Amino acid sequence: NAGVTQTPKFRVLKTGQSMTLLCAQDMNHEYMYWYRQDPGMGLRLIHYSVGEGTTAKGEVPDGYNVSRLKKQNFLLGLESAAPSQTSVYFCASIGGWSFEQYFGPGTRLTVT
Amino acid sequence: ELKVEQNPLFLSMQEGKNYTIYCNYSTTSDRLYWYRQDPGKSLESLFVLLSNGAVKQEGRLMASLDTKARLSTLHITAAVHDLSATYFCAVDTFTNAGKSTFGDGTTLTVKP
Repeated sequence: NAGVTQTPKFRVLKTGQSMTLLCAQDMNHEYMYWYRQDPGMGLRLIHYSVGEGTTAKGEVPDGYNVSRLKKQNFLLGLESAAPSQTSVYFCASIGGWSFEQYFGPGTRLTVT
Repeated sequence: ELKVEQNPLFLSMQEGKNYTIYCNYSTTSDRLYWYRQDPGKSLESLFVLLSNGAVKQEGRLMASLDTKARLSTLHITAAVHDLSATYFCAVDTFTNAGKSTFGDGTTLTVKP
């Protein structure tokens, strides 16, 4: 099993450009999450999904959109990137009775 | 609003010494997690604590949970350099769709 994978690993955008981050999991998990991590801080939840076709807002959703068309994939979109969105983005999925989160390797995004 | 506070935020210790990291949370929660993050890497799950009085140990790390005090501790015994990392605690509730709230992390540096 690959677990949770993220594409791309690194990206530099100019202000106003758009992009999509892809998260894929092969563990048949229902719940998936997108977090951002800024220097010296913990993770903050952007959006999450409790199943295929469903999405919901987290703590910091502004400027982001998501889609979960297939159970194994969770996409995070930035329609018009801003420097404040420079961050490391982590995707996670939940499995098992303990709701333990499995994290992807992260995407380091810089917006100039 | 659920808040999670860790202290200390930075910890420098000598090899062979013992120390404790504290995690306080503001409202009743059902699950408490400890994660480890190495620089530039993703988060790795260490422990999941589900009930009052729960204690789990792995190598030189031991985590405990006191739900009445809303406090978890991560105790480090006879620290070694390999334990240098940032440690996060996170909490969630059974009814919260697995949405965890994270502390800001404790950066541990173990010096020879």
